[in-house]
Amino acid sequence: QVHLVQSGTEVKKPGASVKVSCRASGYTFSNYYMHWVRQAPGRGLEWMGIINPNTSGTSYAQNLQDRLTMTRDTSTSIVYMELSSLRSEDTAVYYCARDLGAPGVDYWGQGTLVTVSS
Amino acid sequence: DIQMTQSPSSLSASVGDRVTITCRASQNIDNQLYWYQQKPGKAPKVLIYAASSLRSGVPSRFSGSGSGTDFTLTISSLQPEDFATYYCQQSYTSWTFGQGTRVEIK
Repeated sequence: QVHLVQSGTEVKKPGASVKVSCRASGYTFSNYYMHWVRQAPGRGLEWMGIINPNTSGTSYAQNLQDRLTMTRDTSTSIVYMELSSLRSEDTAVYYCARDLGAPGVDYWGQGTLVTVSS
Repeated sequence: DIQMTQSPSSLSASVGDRVTITCRASQNIDNQLYWYQQKPGKAPKVLIYAASSLRSGVPSRFSGSGSGTDFTLTISSLQPEDFATYYCQQSYTSWTFGQGTRVEIK
């Protein structure tokens, strides 16, 4: 049974960094790309980027690439999303989502609320 | 960046109504288009992939059409569980989501 379990709620000050984890279980970790998608309160979905857990290769949204880093630890089946230089506009629920290929994403983490406030 | 524009932003409909949501891409995306459904407090769920392919387990009242720049999601007979927000998303170049269409009870 596939599960994606994310780390807990974060509260950060402007200018700080946040690192959110997504622990995968129930499948072969290296076989599926992982996306990160965020959603600000009351707003739409925003794609942040994708990581290949097999190679650690990444692709980031253009507007975030200067502040965003995605990594993975194959020994623990965890992918990480780190966002730096946080601003109030980064307040959102952050989701990891497993990519099934052509049919799209199938499993999602439960979401991690990150609040940026002074 | 490819921009995705959905219309309408919201709509009110009754159970049993036929509902159509449109999505326009700022450039050709072939059929690299997904439709999602999201309910409050939940992660989104893929309904349609490759513009017109129904994801396994999704009711057949949902259908998608289009290619190039113009796409449509149709719900043939709206059910109570279909009241939600719907998003289109392109995967032709990276990913971009539309702004969403909220389907509300009339």
